[in-house]
Amino acid sequence: DTGVSQDPRHKITKRGQNVTFRCDPISEHNRLYWYRQTLGQGPEFLTYFQNEAQLEKSRLLSDRFSAERPKGSFSTLEIQRTEQGDSAMYLCASSLFIRDYTFGSGTRLTVV
Amino acid sequence: AQTVTQSQPEMSVQEAETVTLSCTYDTSENNYYLFWYKQPPSRQMILVIRQEAYKQQNATENRFSVNFQKAAKSFSLKISDSQLGDTAMYFCAFMKPDNYGQNFVFGPGTRLSVLP
Repeated sequence: DTGVSQDPRHKITKRGQNVTFRCDPISEHNRLYWYRQTLGQGPEFLTYFQNEAQLEKSRLLSDRFSAERPKGSFSTLEIQRTEQGDSAMYLCASSLFIRDYTFGSGTRLTVV
Repeated sequence: AQTVTQSQPEMSVQEAETVTLSCTYDTSENNYYLFWYKQPPSRQMILVIRQEAYKQQNATENRFSVNFQKAAKSFSLKISDSQLGDTAMYFCAFMKPDNYGQNFVFGPGTRLSVLP
């Protein structure tokens, strides 16, 4: 297992377009997290899955954002009608226990 | 809600010297975890060290150690014998484990530069 994989690494999109990011967690991890990191700040929690169930969503996750984890494997994060304020790094992480919490390298989104 | 504060936006240290990064947090919880993460330009968040709040003994990992003061809600990171590869953003983070989730609350980070 090569860790948590995120695709794409970079995404440039025009304002108003929809974008989708993918996260492949470590295979035996049942928990999956999405965070957003803006320039010069620490990551902020967006949402959390345990297996396929989305159990927690931050108030940062507006109705333009949707996340899925079908079959409890990979996850997608979609942003509809992107705005310039959505420009950030989107980090995915997975865990089974606290001690094996692992982050991916993120998808950097630029909205122009 | 929990908050994490890092009062040093940037720091620098000479190679082989020792540096201490500060972190304070606010919580009403008694059971929690504290972490230091390193984020180099490669963007990967790398765990440096973890401390369980119920443990009085300060955690150590090779050149990295913490000074955990629970009453003062302080959690500083000491890096000994600094190396060029230690250059990175360092984030202090809080976690309250429960049955629901284990999401982090991160501080704003300290940019550390190790100078040759």
